[in-house]
Amino acid sequence: RKEVEQDPGPFNVPEGATVAFNCTYSNSASQSFFWYRQDCRKEPKLLMSVYSSGNEDGRFTAQLNRASQYISLLIRDSKLSDSATYLCVVIRTSGTYKYIFGTGTRLKVLA
Amino acid sequence: NAGVTQTPKFRVLKTGQSMTLLCAQDMNHEYMYWYRQDPGMGLRLIHYSVGEGTTAKGEVPDGYNVSRLKKQNFLLGLESAAPSQTSVYFCASSSSPGRGYYEQYFGPGTRLTVT
Repeated sequence: RKEVEQDPGPFNVPEGATVAFNCTYSNSASQSFFWYRQDCRKEPKLLMSVYSSGNEDGRFTAQLNRASQYISLLIRDSKLSDSATYLCVVIRTSGTYKYIFGTGTRLKVLA
Repeated sequence: NAGVTQTPKFRVLKTGQSMTLLCAQDMNHEYMYWYRQDPGMGLRLIHYSVGEGTTAKGEVPDGYNVSRLKKQNFLLGLESAAPSQTSVYFCASSSSPGRGYYEQYFGPGTRLTVT
């Protein structure tokens, strides 16, 4: 079983829809959580950090549930430009900082 | 301010050939990383460096070597390329995670095919 798991999708949604992705992690020592966005054939870029209290950045909301060991990303009012792969990233320390990347969830927003 | 750059962008090698991938960053970051990305596997760490002159093995180091002679550069070498090393290689850099600076900045990637 992978340490960080995501549904690969694709999630095909119409413009204006709300879509949510989950990411589960198996190591309870995980301490920091992030969502990255990766466009086709491009490099990953940080979308947002995920805090225990939940956080929002415009149309994007991220939440962390430590008890159930998952993080979520909610996108409201989807735009065509939101089409991308969303990577869940978990950081834990075991002597050094380890970044564990999920395989990503692919989102296609349709006109 | 170019961020993280990688050279070359594309390369085709024959089995047994060698090559070096160059990564450069202009953000004065202490940490640098080399990843490979394969379909269905996610990003996997090959080697990393926590400062000039230091390197360490990541998750999949076999078949690769690295060097960090200057703070801004991190080189990834393939001594004898194998078809299993066909992949997209990303370099990344970050400030110190120990001080709460977790964001990794990625280069545009190198697409390597080994035939």
